[in-house]
Formats: sequence, C-alpha cells, structure tokens
Amino acid sequence: GEDVEQSLFLSVREGDSSVINCTYTDSSSTYLYWYKQEPGAGLQLLTYIFSNMDMKQDQRLTVLLNKKDKHLSLRIADTQTGDSAIYFCAERGDSSYKLIFGSGTRLLVRP
Amino acid sequence: GAVVSQHPSRVICKSGTSVKIECRSLDFQATTMFWYRQFPKKSLMLMATSNEGSKATYEQGVEKDKFLINHASLTLSTLTVTSAHPEDSSFYICSAIGRRYYNEQFFGPGTRLTVL
Repeated sequence: GEDVEQSLFLSVREGDSSVINCTYTDSSSTYLYWYKQEPGAGLQLLTYIFSNMDMKQDQRLTVLLNKKDKHLSLRIADTQTGDSAIYFCAERGDSSYKLIFGSGTRLLVRP
Repeated sequence: GAVVSQHPSRVICKSGTSVKIECRSLDFQATTMFWYRQFPKKSLMLMATSNEGSKATYEQGVEKDKFLINHASLTLSTLTVTSAHPEDSSFYICSAIGRRYYNEQFFGPGTRLTVL
C-alpha cells in the first residue's frame, strides 16, 4: 500500500539551513505537499509540487523532488526560532484528493 | 487564502454522551471535506471523506455509526462522535478543498476532545 516516511527529529542552529527529507512509495503520486503544524494547532499548507517538476522555490522554502527515487525534501533557508514545529509531507495519488501523510519531522531551532 | 474554521476548539464530555464538531469553509465553497484524527505525537489518520449532499466515505476500520458525518452545505460539515468513550479522546482536524483550490487542501485549527 501507499506509505510515506520521514525522519522524526531535526535540530539546527538559528540562521542555518534545515533540510527535511521524505520518501514515498506510490509511483502514481501527482502532487506532494509540505505542511507545518505548531503545538495544538491545525496544519498550515507551506507549499506543494506537481510530480512533473523537479524543484519549486518560494521565498525561504525550496522543495526538491527526485521522482525516480521517490524522494522529496524541504529546505528552509536562514532558519528562525519561529520555524520550530512539526513538518509533514503528504502525497496525493492521481485518482482522488485523499492525502497520505508521513509521520512528521519535529524541527527544533536552537538560538 | 482559504480559511477553514472548527468549533469548538476544545471539548470535555462525560463518557456516553455525544459530541458534535463543526467544520466550516469561511471564504470558499468546499466541494469535499475530510475528517482526520491525530493521536499525540503521531501523524494524521484519515477517517472519512465527505462530499456535499452525499454520504461520507469512511476509511477502513472507522465505525460509521460511531462517527457520524454530515455535509449539508458547501460550507459546513459536521462530525458527531456518538456515545463517546475515553478511547475516543483525540485531536480531530478537518480539511477542505474547493473548486477554486482543488489542488490545495486547507486545514482547520483542530478540536481537542477529552472524554472523561
């Protein structure tokens, strides 16, 4: 079945770049998403990429997609303490709007 | 951007009672709404998908009679947890997509349910 995996934890120093990785198994994925969740809150859509793209940049965020290896990454440049949160990647197949989420990566930004 | 609200944000109830959670799309018409459940420090588990005016589609293992979903209009879906028990305590999050934002799924802020 479909599966999305992420590393559980990442710690970086303020001002450094953060790279959060995600792998998925569904080769028919059409869209891949990155969401941010702060404590006790819902999910905030950060960005998404269509499966025929390799890269998408939006201000401090860069998404890289390696479709051959089914690997997705989110790079946050100049990481700030306000970026501390849980980051979920999710994939969507081609036949429905249903999202399959990874387990989430907890990002801790140290001052 | 598209905004999704949930009400209440937090509810505490006694075992055996029913609780209704509302999910509203505030500035767009939601053709499809989703209900998720999230356990502490865990990922989101999709419970069901609801389309306006039709019956919800439940994921495997989710009890239809336990978690009643109604999607009566293009801006409102409700989840009713019937005869709640302590094991139903969780964080429930809804999301919505609309004709204008069909590639983007917007999430509500979540509802923390505690059953005593």
